[in-house]
Amino acid sequence: QSVLTQPPSVSGAPGQRVTISCTGSSSNIGAGYDVHWYQQLPGTAPKLLIYGNSNRPSGVPDRFSGSKSGTSASLAITGLQAEDEADYYCQSYDSSLSGSEVFGTGTKVTVL
Amino acid sequence: QVQLQESGPGLVKPSQTLSLTCTVSGGSISSGSYYWSWIRQPAGKGLEWIGRIYTSGSTNYNPSLKSRVTISVDTSKNQFSLKLSSVTAADTAVYYCARVSVVAGLYYFDYWGQGTLVTVSS
Repeated sequence: QSVLTQPPSVSGAPGQRVTISCTGSSSNIGAGYDVHWYQQLPGTAPKLLIYGNSNRPSGVPDRFSGSKSGTSASLAITGLQAEDEADYYCQSYDSSLSGSEVFGTGTKVTVL
Repeated sequence: QVQLQESGPGLVKPSQTLSLTCTVSGGSISSGSYYWSWIRQPAGKGLEWIGRIYTSGSTNYNPSLKSRVTISVDTSKNQFSLKLSSVTAADTAVYYCARVSVVAGLYYFDYWGQGTLVTVSS
């Protein structure tokens, strides 16, 4: 089971703003480890969306933004579009036990 | 543009060893500050990190899988590989290989293979 918790689903109408939370603990996000976000369209491999909490790789629209505070991080999608319907995962590092990269539980975004 | 492609058997019998190879094209596996990683995803479920390797051969594994996992690299073939021993039905998943970019202490997966489904069944 993942140590990073995300809401199972969020939804919004086209043009709206939605946010996805990623809640961790003192051994991962709260310890200062950065958070990265991935978008997984149906039937495809995940794609890097945000790295280092708030940085967008080249080619990712500025509708996507990330932030981090305390033991949580958030991904915001503004101006929601039909093509944004996908699963979204956060990722960070957890220092408990012997240390490991960890992913969030995943959030399905539905465009109404 | 870096591309990664997984290959290997799609069906493995219980208790046997799962073996997959990831071939990297569009760049040398030895160039730059990159690790190379394996991640898996059971059907309808989330992502699970398996482990990573640097071209020096240095490895890090998920503690929950460490006793069964071996990741190796063959720089002459621009490939890295995964071996998972004593598999059970719980190891049935889509297996992805990915490049890990290391920038200012950040480790993130910037390029992914398309994934390959491995089913554990007799």
